[in-house]
Amino acid sequence: DVKVTQSSRYLVKRTGEKVFLECVQDMDHENMFWYRQDPGLGLRLIYFSYDVKMKEKGDIPEGYSVSREKKERFSLILESASTNQTSMYLCASSPPGTGQYFGPGTRLTVT
Amino acid sequence: GQSLEQPSEVTAVEGAIVQINCTYQTSGFYGLSWYQQHDGGAPTFLSYNGLDGLEETGRFSSFLSRSDSYGYLLLQELQMKDSASYFCAVRPAENNAGNMLTFGGGTRLMVKP
Repeated sequence: DVKVTQSSRYLVKRTGEKVFLECVQDMDHENMFWYRQDPGLGLRLIYFSYDVKMKEKGDIPEGYSVSREKKERFSLILESASTNQTSMYLCASSPPGTGQYFGPGTRLTVT
Repeated sequence: GQSLEQPSEVTAVEGAIVQINCTYQTSGFYGLSWYQQHDGGAPTFLSYNGLDGLEETGRFSSFLSRSDSYGYLLLQELQMKDSASYFCAVRPAENNAGNMLTFGGGTRLMVKP
């Protein structure tokens, strides 16, 4: 079974803090993704990566950056957290074609 | 560009069959996939149609017709635990080195006793 893990299920941070969300997959997938999900707005792609050290902006990259130093790990960084970044963050990975496999999600609250 | 339309809500009774439709407008895509998401949980990959026709996985089946720009997810022998949101997604063919997906808005399925 594909396993995608995320570093935290729940996280509370203060405005202005730097936040790291980590995602690890164990299936040697080339592609990894970070989404945020908000009520009424569905799943929105923040960044994705199709290879180590390769990254592409998604629909809403502002305020975020990513890092992919190893194939199995894809990190999302909030350089200076703001209250409008309070959300559910979902990581996913996929091989070429087929579907994406999601991690359990991190519910981030920025106060 | 791509856009996908799904009904926002569907209600059905336990034991019944329900079909969740997904219509799309896209300039080209590789395949259609379906995801289930329970409240408070993460999406779970259910099925993928790379070719036209029906794919069956247990109680769930998914269908794709490219000529009709249409697909559906069919859930049989509904159980209470099937109450969840269901999303369709397409994998656009253009500039998509990373298997990026475009998701529909989701259909909330409520199964009643």
